[in-house]
This record gives sequence, C-alpha cells and structure tokens, in this order.
Amino acid sequence: AQKVTQTQTSISVMEKTTVTMDCVYETQDSSYFLFWYKQTASGEIVFLIRQDSYKKENATVGHYSLNFQKPKSSIGLIITATQIEDSAVYFCAMREPGTGGYKVVFGSGTRLLVSP
Amino acid sequence: AQTIHQWPVAEIKAVGSPLSLGCTIKGKSSPNLYWYWQATGGTLQQLFYSITVGQVESVVQLNLSASRPKDDQFILSTEKLLLSHSGFYLCAWSTGTGDERLFFGHGTKLSVL
Repeated sequence: AQKVTQTQTSISVMEKTTVTMDCVYETQDSSYFLFWYKQTASGEIVFLIRQDSYKKENATVGHYSLNFQKPKSSIGLIITATQIEDSAVYFCAMREPGTGGYKVVFGSGTRLLVSP
Repeated sequence: AQTIHQWPVAEIKAVGSPLSLGCTIKGKSSPNLYWYWQATGGTLQQLFYSITVGQVESVVQLNLSASRPKDDQFILSTEKLLLSHSGFYLCAWSTGTGDERLFFGHGTKLSVL
C-alpha cells in the first residue's frame, strides 16, 4: 500500500535562507508521481511542484526544487531564498496510477515558519 | 480559466443531523473529482474520487457518501452526523489527461456539536 512519511513536524528559519523538507514514500509500483503542496493559514492548498518517477532530473519551479533520490524512496523539497510568505504547512503526496488508480496519499505535513 | 467553488464555507451542525456539502468546477469538461477530509492540524485523507458522471469510488469509509449528479458537480453527504465528522472538507479536481496535479477548493469547515 502507498505510504508517505514526513518526519519533520515543524521547521523555523530566517528569511532569505535555504530550507529542506524531507519526505519518504513506500510504493509497490515502478511508476508513480510525487507532489508537494502548500497550505496557507487561510486553509488554501496550492500545488507547488511535481516529480515523475521515471525522470532522473530533479524538478525545479521558481525558488522550489526537489531532491529526488529514487533508491532511497526520498523526495525532499528545497526552498531557496525563503520569504516571510513561505510560512505555511507543506505536504508531500504520491499517486500510483497503476495500483492506486486515482488514490492520492498525503504525508502528515511540515510546518515552516520564516522569520525576518 | 477553471474555477472551483465549494459551499458552504462553514457549517455548525448537531450530532445526528444530515449534511450536504458541494462543489462545482467551471471551465473544465470531464474533470476527475475528489473529496478530502482534514482534521485540525492533520493530514489530508482522501474520501472519494470520481472520474465520470454517476460513478464514485470510495477510498475510506467514514459513514459518508458522495455523488456526482453532473459533470461539474460533486456532492458529499450523510444522513446522520457524528462528532468525528468535524474538520475541514476539501473538494479538488484534476484534468485526467496525465497532468495529475490537484486543484483544491477553499474548503468547508464543519463543526459537529
């Protein structure tokens, strides 16, 4: 069965620094999709970035990038030059199109606090 | 541009009362639709998904049901609320064309007393 684990409950950083959030996953499939989402204080959830399992290159979007280590079943989110507005809860998620169909499993989330 | 609208924004209901939550997606035909539940400070638990009108798949049983009466509409309901139903309910959609990103509505905050 699919499982996504985020062990970091919360992280505090100073503005303009770089932060890495960890995520490990379990899957039976050879093909899967990994995502990171951000939930703001208002409850709004937005998609940030995605990694397809068959792609070796780490995805990058703006100041978000991924550290995909397939042998370790790990997909870390890296935020560079953090800003106050990056303060939010970050969720890692996985979809297995083969066995899971349209099931998308989320991790427990990591709360990021960026201070000036 | 596609938009997703969830209603109501918030509900306060009594234990044992019925519930109906809804969402509508505009600007996208035949979207895949999802319902998620989030306890306060918790993770997102997928409840249901639907890839076509009239067909809904249950992911986890929480004494809730879902229906998709129209291509752009997804309804979550129960005849009898439990205290454990309190939380944040989120509707989401994806294109179903390989881009598997989820686009979430703003959610409904449900308090069962």
